[in-house]
Amino acid sequence: EAQVTQNPRYLITVTGKKLTVTCSQNMNHEYMSWYRQDPGLGLRQIYYSMNVEVTDKGDVPEGYKVSRKEKRNFPLILESPSPNQTSLYFCASSLDPNSPLHFGNGTRLTVT
Amino acid sequence: DQQVKQNSPSLSVQEGRISILNCDYTNSMFDYFLWYKKYPAEGPTFLISISSIKDKNEDGRFTVFLNKSAKHLSLHIVPSQPGDSAVYFCAATISGAGSYQLTFGKGTKLSVIP
Repeated sequence: EAQVTQNPRYLITVTGKKLTVTCSQNMNHEYMSWYRQDPGLGLRQIYYSMNVEVTDKGDVPEGYKVSRKEKRNFPLILESPSPNQTSLYFCASSLDPNSPLHFGNGTRLTVT
Repeated sequence: DQQVKQNSPSLSVQEGRISILNCDYTNSMFDYFLWYKKYPAEGPTFLISISSIKDKNEDGRFTVFLNKSAKHLSLHIVPSQPGDSAVYFCAATISGAGSYQLTFGKGTKLSVIP
């Protein structure tokens, strides 16, 4: 089954404790991206990657890092999480610009 | 500056009636528009799209209308069904960038009442 898989689905952590949210897609998509969804703000792009070893900032990159060492994986790294990063995170992938985004089922992160 | 606006946070409609979800945009460079649907505890899924060379696109019960002069698009669902209850996101982009550079609205929560 073609899918984007995120782990974990739920995560509660404390301020300053480094964490990684994994994202993997099995569709051989070149493009991958991370979004966060907050009440009243919709979906905002954090980082995106056009291909292996190519990443770029989206609209809200502060406090996040990403890497793209393999085509299928695009982990989101929070080096020192803060409470304002409490949010619902979505990973997405796409074959090309003319194809729709496929989203994972989300990771709900709470930073206390 | 919000470039894609969905001014109605929520909408309630009776089953069988028409649902109309609205979206406005400010960036005149946008020429490709999409609607995504999101159920609780799931990621958004693509629903329907329209290019600026058209003013209407249909897919079954779903129709998207585009008014370029007003920078306005709408999603019509006819007839509405309880399973259509979800959050609907409008998104816009520029040809070439496509799905790589989507700008999303805040979403409208649709509730279809049986």
